Amino acid sequence: GAVVSQHPSRVICKSGTSVKIECRSLDFQATTMFWYRQFPKKSLMLMATSNEGSKATYEQGVEKDKFLINHASLTLSTLTVTSAHPEDSSFYICSARDTGKNSPLHFGNGTRLTVT
Amino acid sequence: GENVEQHPSTLSVQEGDSAVIKCTYSDSASNYFPWYKQELGKRPQLIIDIRSNVGEKKDQRIAVTLNKTAKHFSLHITETQPEDSAVYFCAVVLGGYQKVTFGTGTKLQVIP
Repeated sequence: GAVVSQHPSRVICKSGTSVKIECRSLDFQATTMFWYRQFPKKSLMLMATSNEGSKATYEQGVEKDKFLINHASLTLSTLTVTSAHPEDSSFYICSARDTGKNSPLHFGNGTRLTVT
Repeated sequence: GENVEQHPSTLSVQEGDSAVIKCTYSDSASNYFPWYKQELGKRPQLIIDIRSNVGEKKDQRIAVTLNKTAKHFSLHITETQPEDSAVYFCAVVLGGYQKVTFGTGTKLQVIP
């Protein structure tokens, strides 16, 4: 079945540095990918919708200059957390679906970000 | 926008019993309703889904029912097993995945 690969699975960084997270669709093309943030014991909060070849669409309250999204190809989207702060520590998950009809949403394994 | 409510937030059942989780939504134009299972620290996995033109769907021990008029849908797990213990999320999809809204999650614990 369709697989979404997300890297890294865990990252620890210092305050003020930037972290890039990659989301790849391995055996299908995805014109749209989604980025979520999940706090402990909470639901998935949609941060932004990544569109191949165009600007991402950010949800209300999500700073686009802080969470940079690039969707340069049909199989890769990246999320860069810029100037990270401890409050950015969280579980980030991407998802994508095959652009074919009636295809379900597939999730990456997630990235546990810890900012010290 | 879409508002999805999920109940209960936690559910404990004895092994072998049934578990039911319910979600309600607000946008009558929503047309696809998947359910995901998420184990701790792992990705959500699609376990079953239903489209708006169907009232019920079953896959072995798992079933989903949809009441479009009342705008609610439910996940039913029969003969629960310890490995069913996880957090379950419902989702409501509008259009061609233009918008996906997740429920708040239900932590299911199956007691051996």
